[in-house]
Amino acid sequence: RKEVEQDPGPFNVPEGATVAFNCTYSNSASQSFFWYRQDCRKEPKLLMSVYSSGNEDGRFTAQLNRASQYISLLIRDSKLSDSATYLCVVKPAGGSYIPTFGRGTSLIVHP
Amino acid sequence: DTGVSQDPRHKITKRGQNVTFRCDPISEHNRLYWYRQTLGQGPEFLTYFQNEAQLEKSRLLSDRFSAERPKGSFSTLEIQRTEQGDSAMYLCASSLVPRTGPNYGYTFGSGTRLTVV
Repeated sequence: RKEVEQDPGPFNVPEGATVAFNCTYSNSASQSFFWYRQDCRKEPKLLMSVYSSGNEDGRFTAQLNRASQYISLLIRDSKLSDSATYLCVVKPAGGSYIPTFGRGTSLIVHP
Repeated sequence: DTGVSQDPRHKITKRGQNVTFRCDPISEHNRLYWYRQTLGQGPEFLTYFQNEAQLEKSRLLSDRFSAERPKGSFSTLEIQRTEQGDSAMYLCASSLVPRTGPNYGYTFGSGTRLTVV
């Protein structure tokens, strides 16, 4: 089993739709979680950290389920500009601080 | 300081040649990471430095790969005797780790796209 797994998609949704992605992780001792956004042929950019209590940033909501070992990203009122690949990142507990990336989920928002 | 800089942006080389990439992190960041990304995959960890010390290397980093961060500022990644399988985007990221507390996020450079022909 991979350390971090994501459905590669693509998720093809109309503008205004609500879409959700999940990401599962295998290391139960994982400590920190992030969602990154990557546009085609560009570098990944931090979208949001994921806190234990869940957190929201505008149209984006991130949640963590430690019992089932997954994190989720919900995007409400999708915009064309949301089209990108969304990478799940998991960082283990302990001193190494090496983040592990999922392969990403591709989102295509169409008019 | 405008972020993490990588040079060159693109590199085309013949198989068997050596290549070297440079990364300039955000100046106050003490940690520097190298990742490799191929099409349709997420970034794969190669190695990281805390200041000038190389603390961990992935098994992906064969003996043809070497990385340095001599003064704890910029870093170089060298690939010797390149192979076609080395073709990928090489990403550098930096972060600030306080002595205590969590590490929130990493800033990536634009990457160096290597094509081995």
